[in-house]
Amino acid sequence: SYELTQPPSVSVSPGQTARITCSGDALPKKYVYWYQQKSGQAPVRVIYEDSKRPSGIPERFSGSSSGTKATLTISGAQVEDEADYYCYSTDNIGSFGGGTKLTVL
Amino acid sequence: QVQLVQSGPEVKKPGASVKVSCKTSGYTFIDYYMHWVRQVPGQGLEWMGWINPNSGGTKYAQNFQGRVTMTRDTSVSTAYMELSSLTSGDKAVYYCARAGERRGSPGDYWGQGSLVTVSS
Repeated sequence: SYELTQPPSVSVSPGQTARITCSGDALPKKYVYWYQQKSGQAPVRVIYEDSKRPSGIPERFSGSSSGTKATLTISGAQVEDEADYYCYSTDNIGSFGGGTKLTVL
Repeated sequence: QVQLVQSGPEVKKPGASVKVSCKTSGYTFIDYYMHWVRQVPGQGLEWMGWINPNSGGTKYAQNFQGRVTMTRDTSVSTAYMELSSLTSGDKAVYYCARAGERRGSPGDYWGQGSLVTVSS
């Protein structure tokens, strides 16, 4: 496995754009996935294969990846988007980032 | 609809083993890898490994090598994760998650989580 680094916290006001980064040396060659986890709930996948959005995930969620950094962008963040977000990648052995707590207030 | 239903909470003594089950329905069990992820209270997600329900083949995270065993019973569409030599550090919620479009990542379907407490 390899290390994925995320900022511990990001804070935005409602309607602003939130950007959460995920850095890792192997990312140029591997897909990145993003999961949202609200308190007391199981994680929910919000982005897969760098930039694809699963069915049912709002369009304000988008993903990108360039070089050793991937970014989850929430355009027009809502109060209900407040959660922990984790990036994930794999080289046959999976690895999660440490998580980023998004505050929207 | 796809469902993953996990076994209930467990309380174990240090040194014991725990076996968590993940009963699936709504899809063909052998068609998707199953991942296991744990979360220690107040901490982040930790990938434990996966099992190929078709072949029984497994891949484990290095942190759990030698202590974790993932198995499956195709007759009841259920995956299992057994963790041995438990310590207080293994107190966590354990999740099963069906793989997505690519077998190497958890997808859209997760179990509800199983809390394992380790206490003397």
